[in-house]
Amino acid sequence: EAQVTQNPRYLITVTGKKLTVTCSQNMNHEYMSWYRQDPGLGLRQIYYSMNVEVTDKGDVPEGYKVSRKEKRNFPLILESPSPNQTSLYFCASSWGTEPSTDTQYFGPGTRLTVL
Amino acid sequence: LAKTTQPISMDSYEGQEVNITCSHNNIATNDYITWYQQFPSQGPRFIIQGYKTKVTNEVASLFIPADRKSSTLSLPRVSLSDTAVYYCLVGGGLYNFNKFYFGSGTKLNVKP
Repeated sequence: EAQVTQNPRYLITVTGKKLTVTCSQNMNHEYMSWYRQDPGLGLRQIYYSMNVEVTDKGDVPEGYKVSRKEKRNFPLILESPSPNQTSLYFCASSWGTEPSTDTQYFGPGTRLTVL
Repeated sequence: LAKTTQPISMDSYEGQEVNITCSHNNIATNDYITWYQQFPSQGPRFIIQGYKTKVTNEVASLFIPADRKSSTLSLPRVSLSDTAVYYCLVGGGLYNFNKFYFGSGTKLNVKP
């Protein structure tokens, strides 16, 4: 089944403790992206990647890191999480040949709470 | 910077047609307009996409006026299962075409 998977689905952590949220897609998509969703603010793009070893900042990249060492994986790294990073996170992927028109496929989300 | 504005919420009844409008005054020439639907505890999923005039698929229609500064998602004869949040999405424009900007979404509540 074609899908985007994220792990963990739920995570409660404490300020300053490094964490990684994994994202994997099995559709051979080139474009991958991370979004955070907060009440009243909708979805905001954190980082995106056009292909392996190619990443770029989205609208709200502060406090996050990403890497794209393999085509299928795009982990989101929080080196020193803070309470304002408490949010619902979505990973998405698309073919990438024409990002402006490609359909983005979203993962199920990761709910992160930073105490 | 392309930014979208949508109504926060809308109510409707089963069987009615629902129109949700999105404003995107700064849309760039190369930007497409895409709408996504999101149910609670799920990621958004694609509904429809267009560049200008009218686009129709099996679930919705999308109307885009000539100036492209707004777009209207039309859902014919909604049912309870259409209760969801609907997002309007435009791209980042000519120089940031790989970036995307979702609106804050419109929460549609369909009543029996």
